[in-house]
Amino acid sequence: EVQLVESGGGLVKPGGSLRLSCAASGFTFSSYSMNWVRQAPGKGLEWVSSISSSSSYIYYADSVKGRFTISRDNAKNSLYLQMNSLRAEDTAVYYCARGSWYSFRFDPWGQGTLVTVSS
Amino acid sequence: QSVLTQPPSVSAAPGQKVTISCSGSSSNIGNNYVSWYQQLPGTAPKLLIYENNKRPSGIPDRFSGSKSGTSATLGITGLQTGDEADYYCGTWDSSLSGGVFGGGTKLTVL
Repeated sequence: EVQLVESGGGLVKPGGSLRLSCAASGFTFSSYSMNWVRQAPGKGLEWVSSISSSSSYIYYADSVKGRFTISRDNAKNSLYLQMNSLRAEDTAVYYCARGSWYSFRFDPWGQGTLVTVSS
Repeated sequence: QSVLTQPPSVSAAPGQKVTISCSGSSSNIGNNYVSWYQQLPGTAPKLLIYENNKRPSGIPDRFSGSKSGTSATLGITGLQTGDEADYYCGTWDSSLSGGVFGGGTKLTVL
């Protein structure tokens, strides 16, 4: 069964840092591009970042560029999102999703991990 | 304000048909594939339609997608109460070099 499991969310103060992880199983992780999408409480979906299978191509939303870093470890079947200089507006459930950004075919999605930025 | 425009809500009776529109521009919908996602309350989004009109395995043919110019449409026939959810369109924006989603449409099956 193809599965994605996020972890690493929690409560952090403004200006702080957090590292999210996404553990993949049930498929050849190294063959797929991966993505992070977030959803603020009661709001819609917002694309955050995408990374190609070999990490050759990386894209960020303007809202996180320069503060967030996406990475992956194909040997560990894991995707990461390093989040620095966190702001209140970064509060959201963060989902990882498998799939290519150019087709926007994201399938499946993980269950999400909640990040709360508050003093 | 979202780059892609969707109606905030639609409603219809069980058994009826509903369509949800998604409007964009030449830099996104006009030149890239459109996907549609269903988000049931309290759950993660699920892929419904990809590459404008293709259904992943397991998605019933009650769900359909189409694209014309800079707009896309999701159609749902034979509405069921279990279809009550938020629906999002999404695509790549070549000018932004980033992904974009619509604001979401809440479907109510009366």
